[in-house]
Amino acid sequence: DIQMTQSPSSLSASVGDRVTITCRASQSIGNYLTWYQQKPGKAPRLLIFVASTLQSGVPSRFSGAGSGTDFTLTINSLQPDDFATYYCQQTYRVPHNFGPGTTLDIK
Amino acid sequence: EVQLVQSGAEVKKPGEPLKISCKGSGFKFSTYWIGWVRQMPGKGLEWMGVIYPNDSDTAYHPSFQGQITISADKSLSTAYLQWSSLKASDSAIYYCARDSAGNRFDRWGQGTQVIVS
Repeated sequence: DIQMTQSPSSLSASVGDRVTITCRASQSIGNYLTWYQQKPGKAPRLLIFVASTLQSGVPSRFSGAGSGTDFTLTINSLQPDDFATYYCQQTYRVPHNFGPGTTLDIK
Repeated sequence: EVQLVQSGAEVKKPGEPLKISCKGSGFKFSTYWIGWVRQMPGKGLEWMGVIYPNDSDTAYHPSFQGQITISADKSLSTAYLQWSSLKASDSAIYYCARDSAGNRFDRWGQGTQVIVS
């Protein structure tokens, strides 16, 4: 299995801040990295796929970068709606494991 | 509109069998891989496995292989997740999701809560 790690595990920030979440794969996965957002009591929402492609309808303040083993999700100018938990997922090889998640809360 | 609608919450006893469902609409169900994801209380997302309804080809996470069965009925546009004998540790929310192009779950069901007690 390809293992995924995320850092930090939690993060406090303020509205208007820029935040970056890091995801690392245990081996090279090319650009087969997906990001999701999940709010309490809700299903996850697709944000970014193949490392940097924004899903339709996702605000442009979200961006993804990276390849190989190291990836980032950046949120520019945080909005109140962005406080949630973020998960990365590798889709290079089955099983398509998720990272453990990063919880972003309001400072 | 693309939708995945899951069956309702279940409360079961240890040792009982269970089959939950995920019905797709608004897209050609048989030609998309459909996945199942577990979320235990207060925990993260776990990829369990996927099925291709057109031919019922499946892939399981090794941790779940032998513990669950994923199936589908393409004529009903429905995927299923089943257990033959539940354990308390199976208590979780289970999500189905549509796998688009093999690299993202782009549509999700609302989740099915399973309580085993």
